[in-house]
Amino acid sequence: DAGVIQSPRHEVTEMGQEVTLRCKPISGHDYLFWYRQTMMRGLELLIYFNNNVPIDDSGMPEDRFSAKMPNASFSTLKIQPSEPRDSAVYFCASSLGSWERTEAFFGQGTRLTVV
Amino acid sequence: GEDVEQSLFLSVREGDSSVINCTYTDSSSTYLYWYKQEPGAGLQLLTYIFSNMDMKQDQRLTVLLNKKDKHLSLRIADTQTGDSAIYFCAERTLRNTDKLIFGTGTRLQVFP
Repeated sequence: DAGVIQSPRHEVTEMGQEVTLRCKPISGHDYLFWYRQTMMRGLELLIYFNNNVPIDDSGMPEDRFSAKMPNASFSTLKIQPSEPRDSAVYFCASSLGSWERTEAFFGQGTRLTVV
Repeated sequence: GEDVEQSLFLSVREGDSSVINCTYTDSSSTYLYWYKQEPGAGLQLLTYIFSNMDMKQDQRLTVLLNKKDKHLSLRIADTQTGDSAIYFCAERTLRNTDKLIFGTGTRLQVFP
């Protein structure tokens, strides 16, 4: 397996535009996580899914953020409208089960810059 | 509540040992992890320890766990320039078995 695949790797957009980040988890994994990393706040969990169902979205900062997982092999994180303070690296991660030893496998991240 | 804290920076000379520290608040931690993030990359698991263990050694890496003080450390022996990265500790708890709670990350800088 190629691991968790995110696209695009880099995104530069103007304030007010819609941004869609994409993630393909590792095949067979039943948990998918979206994280945001900034210098100020470190690594924040935004939302996670189990078997394509959102379980906890308490980390989503505002209604401008939404995430979907239409099937087991694809998820999107959308920001509409985007703002400069959304600039960050967004990571997707997946894991198999919630067994206590389970590690999360991370994608390479999408570096988002909103100007 | 759940809170995982780390110091932000550590600078060491090549060949010396590095010790990265982490404290957590949730006593129901079951597994604790160390992840490494190299520049421009995602996080990769380095090692993990079960909460009923005190120590785990894996080549140059030694993990120490003090459950009483809720303190976790990662020691890297013979630190190399390739070890320069951000190191995150993370915990999985009985309260939240689905997800990992990450610390703020420690940026390790190795100089020659």
